[in-house]
Amino acid sequence: NAGVTQTPKFRVLKTGQSMTLLCAQDMNHEYMYWYRQDPGMGLRLIHYSVGEGTTAKGEVPDGYNVSRLKKQNFLLGLESAAPSQTSVYFCASSHGAGASYNEQFFGPGTRLTVL
Amino acid sequence: DAKTTQPPSMDCAEGRAANLPCNHSTISGNEYVYWYRQIHSQGPQYIIHGLKNNETNEMASLIITEDRKSSTLILPHATLRDTAVYYCIVRGSSGSARQLTFGSGTQLTVLP
Repeated sequence: NAGVTQTPKFRVLKTGQSMTLLCAQDMNHEYMYWYRQDPGMGLRLIHYSVGEGTTAKGEVPDGYNVSRLKKQNFLLGLESAAPSQTSVYFCASSHGAGASYNEQFFGPGTRLTVL
Repeated sequence: DAKTTQPPSMDCAEGRAANLPCNHSTISGNEYVYWYRQIHSQGPQYIIHGLKNNETNEMASLIITEDRKSSTLILPHATLRDTAVYYCIVRGSSGSARQLTFGSGTQLTVLP
């Protein structure tokens, strides 16, 4: 199993450009998450999904949109990138409602720089 | 979710046990204690979790005090590859998404 994969690994954007980050998981997990991590800080939740076709806002959702059209994929979109969105983006997934705990599996991250 | 408090940094000699403390004095009865770590530039990695009993797996041991207000993660024989930021997280088992709230964690440096 590949686990959680993220595409691309690196990206440089100019202010105002748009892009989509792709997250894929092959563990049949119900829940998926997008986090961002700024230098020297912990992870902050952007958006999450509790199942195919559902999305919800996390702690820092402004400037981002997400979609979960397929269970295995979770897309994070930046419609008009800003320098404040320069960060490392991590995707994660976890089991669904049947689990009593929440072990999240993380991808390797996407390093985004907005100039 | 209960808030956690961890020391910002710790050092440990290679081959010795690393004991990482975490305070969670406001933890409620149905909240689990999770530990994750993040090796530089990589995605966080799950280590262990527990509710009230001590837990052990191939990576570490988790000791939770009887009143559950604090816990200690133990890496029995630390190696240089254990150098990482360690996050203690408290989260309930219910809720719509069970997202994890990462604080600042403890930077563990294993010294040769």
